[in-house]
Amino acid sequence: EPEVTQTPSHQVTQMGQEVILRCVPISNHLYFYWYRQILGQKVEFLVSFYNNEISEKSEIFDDQFSVERPDGSNFTLKIRSTKLEDSAMYFCASSNLGGPDNEQFFGPGTRLTVL
Amino acid sequence: AQTVTQSQPEMSVQEAETVTLSCTYDTSESNYYLFWYKQPPSRQMILVIRQEAYKQQNATENRFSVNFQKAAKSFSLKISDSQLGDTAMYFCAFMKGYRSGNTPLVFGKGTRLSVIA
Repeated sequence: EPEVTQTPSHQVTQMGQEVILRCVPISNHLYFYWYRQILGQKVEFLVSFYNNEISEKSEIFDDQFSVERPDGSNFTLKIRSTKLEDSAMYFCASSNLGGPDNEQFFGPGTRLTVL
Repeated sequence: AQTVTQSQPEMSVQEAETVTLSCTYDTSESNYYLFWYKQPPSRQMILVIRQEAYKQQNATENRFSVNFQKAAKSFSLKISDSQLGDTAMYFCAFMKGYRSGNTPLVFGKGTRLSVIA
């Protein structure tokens, strides 16, 4: 069964460094999402992406964040200058079509630790 | 803004017994969907069940069923005949229903369920 994959599973970085989190969505999916979960808190929406552009972003997704689909298969989240509060589990998701009738399939997550 | 509240951080149930996980939500939307996602220890979140707000009939998927009380804004998940494989974090989630594009999910904090042999 096709699934969303994410690499790395765990990333440790120093404050101020740039990180890129990678996701490979399910191959025929068109809609992509990033969510994050700070330890002990809710899973929060960051950004959605369709047709090579951002569809919607939350207030968490500030200028330090960017997303890209560089090669038609990968979907990346870049954090330019990491802060301690960026430490969280980051989940990628994809769906075939948009809207609530179309299930969002989640990846296993990348645990980001900022020291 | 929508909010989703899960008031039970942790629960446990004996194998083969029934357990109910609670979820309440707040919204001014009239058209929306509610979901329960399961996140086993391996961390891949998977959809368990979905409920459309305009449908009065409660959704069921095999051993999983919901009790959707729209007026009370309550959406509980009942797991019957609990199995060891049901051990996971369970997230309740909300989605606006009228949009066809990228539609973000709004999650609760989750309930950690342990099924005991």
